[in-house]
Amino acid sequence: DTAVSQTPKYLVTQMGNDKSIKCEQNLGHDTMYWYKQDSKKFLKIMFSYNNKELIINETVPNRFSPKSPDKAHLNLHINSLELGDSAVYFCASSGDAYEQYFGPGTRLTVT
Amino acid sequence: AQTVTQSQPEMSVQEAETVTLSCTYDTSESDYYLFWYKQPPSRQMILVIRQEAYKQQNATENRFSVNFQKAAKSFSLKISDSQLGDAAMYFCAYRSPLTQGGSEKLVFGKGTKLTVNP
Repeated sequence: DTAVSQTPKYLVTQMGNDKSIKCEQNLGHDTMYWYKQDSKKFLKIMFSYNNKELIINETVPNRFSPKSPDKAHLNLHINSLELGDSAVYFCASSGDAYEQYFGPGTRLTVT
Repeated sequence: AQTVTQSQPEMSVQEAETVTLSCTYDTSESDYYLFWYKQPPSRQMILVIRQEAYKQQNATENRFSVNFQKAAKSFSLKISDSQLGDAAMYFCAYRSPLTQGGSEKLVFGKGTKLTVNP
């Protein structure tokens, strides 16, 4: 069973479009995250949710809007996509322990 | 704010040999957690090893071990008997202790690309 899953794994779209990435975890964790990995492989936190409540919002443009319908799901919607949004987006989750478990990543390419 | 530095962008090792990847961090906190993650070409982020700052004993996981020097704020990863499958990007990461009702982000270094030569 996949612990943290993301869909889609690849996303190619044009500038100006709106797209969503979905994330689901079956670990029973309360906390979920979105990280962005840029072209130089640098990973940085974007958002975190704890039990559907937004906890961390790291200076991300408001074109990015996370939504957590329940604690097992955390989706990322991106409006008006720009070339600079091209990256790999990782979803992660954590429970009572301090480790974070990552999904497989979504490679977003904006043309 | 916490920062993590990996000073070796690339490293290489011969199969069956030992290699050490360096990581230093900056923090004013006394309690925290440190991790090494592996990212192979498949891009999946895989937890390799973790260390709680309050534990003096260095963590080990099979062929992977760390040298945690709290005073020096150093957290290096040693891979023994290197295998071809160890080839990957390795990221050092720092996490603050959990806060009540909150969540704590991972702060990553820029990574070290490890090549394993047959």
